Amino acid sequence: SQTIHQWPATLVQPVGSPLSLECTVEGTSNPNLYWYRQAAGRGLQLLFYSVGIGQISSEVPQNLSASRPQDRQFILSSKKLLLSDSGFYLCAWSLPTGTPYFGPGTRLLVL
Amino acid sequence: QKEVEQDPGPLSVPEGAIVSLNCTYSNSAFQYFMWYRQYSRKGPELLMYTYSSGNKEDGRFTAQVDKSSKYISLFIRDSQPSDSATYLCAMTYSSASKIIFGSGTRLSIRP
Repeated sequence: SQTIHQWPATLVQPVGSPLSLECTVEGTSNPNLYWYRQAAGRGLQLLFYSVGIGQISSEVPQNLSASRPQDRQFILSSKKLLLSDSGFYLCAWSLPTGTPYFGPGTRLLVL
Repeated sequence: QKEVEQDPGPLSVPEGAIVSLNCTYSNSAFQYFMWYRQYSRKGPELLMYTYSSGNKEDGRFTAQVDKSSKYISLFIRDSQPSDSATYLCAMTYSSASKIIFGSGTRLSIRP
């Protein structure tokens, strides 16, 4: 069966510091990978998605970036965090024509 | 106007009641409809997935799609305290297209 891992679970970072969140998927090959952000009381905002190694599509222009160095690894990064980057970050995977399955999430608080 | 509208709640019902959760949407091109359940501080988990109009039943859960009214529902029978969570609707044009999420309805089942 497929498993998706995200770490860390919680992160508190000062404004202006860098960010690196990692996501890995087990039990499947060549999945579609996604990064979503969920602000308090709001819906899921798609940030990035990837259909293959090195292929990243950005949905929202911002100070975040994503990379996919390996087939089942997806990384979300920032060089300088803003207060507005606080939120619940969710990685998800899907088959090429399937529904997304979400990881446990990383709660990020920027102070 | 948002593409997908969902009443944020909170909705509080007694244990054993039938719960009705709803979403409306504006784009008639949506064909695939999903319901996710999200417990506090966890990632969403896929509950139901339906294509086009009609009903789909899975245990105590029934998903209903009315494309003519652009309205989808999730019914929970014999509700349990463990059903207390936020329920997100989601929809997409095709199996390979971007998925649009509702903002979620917070449900509380009183013992």
